[in-house]
Amino acid sequence: DAGITQSPRHKVTETGTPVTLRCHQTENHRYMYWYRQDPGHGLRLIHYSYGVKDTDKGEVSDGYSVSRSKTEDFLLTLESATSSQTSVYFCAISEFGTANTGELFFGEGSRLTVL
Amino acid sequence: QQQVKQSPQSLIVQKGGISIINCAYENTAFDYFPWYQQFPGKGPALLIAIRPDVSEKKEGRFTISFNKSAKQFSLHIMDSQPGDSATYFCAARSGTYKYIFGTGTRLKVLA
Repeated sequence: DAGITQSPRHKVTETGTPVTLRCHQTENHRYMYWYRQDPGHGLRLIHYSYGVKDTDKGEVSDGYSVSRSKTEDFLLTLESATSSQTSVYFCAISEFGTANTGELFFGEGSRLTVL
Repeated sequence: QQQVKQSPQSLIVQKGGISIINCAYENTAFDYFPWYQQFPGKGPALLIAIRPDVSEKKEGRFTISFNKSAKQFSLHIMDSQPGDSATYFCAARSGTYKYIFGTGTRLKVLA
């Protein structure tokens, strides 16, 4: 299994509070992603990173921000959580090169409930 | 269009039967089409993938059929087993990192 650790794995919070989810990888992959998974919507990209301090928005980025200060860590922040952000969040990594085909490797997910 | 449309939403198959899941896309810039398998409480994991210059790829009991002209691809699971019960996602990639996922198919294989 790819070395991807998400924390926390479960979190319950209240509307309006800030929340930070952490993704830590030990594979030294350049690309890191945050997806959310919701019934009927599949996996939707929130933000992605293509290197330290290099990030860009995905299709559902409103209400989320990210930071990547080290290759191994990618943080997802909800500045003021809303009930619509109740979801399961997955971090993923990928790399390209002679030994890598760009395959996505996913973490185990972080289940967030916003009351 | 960036969408990937996946069907059916759910599927029940008898043990030993064939499971078929279909996906369709619009964007001709997509150049890599993976299928992911997800078990409850776990993250998705790559099952099998195909590039558009190939019409079929087989790995064990899993086969991807790809129809470039119709912009469709499908996953066939032969001799389906209860252990195959999971949610399956098709995806399409353009460039090096832009993946678009289908909405998922929940497969249940009856023993």
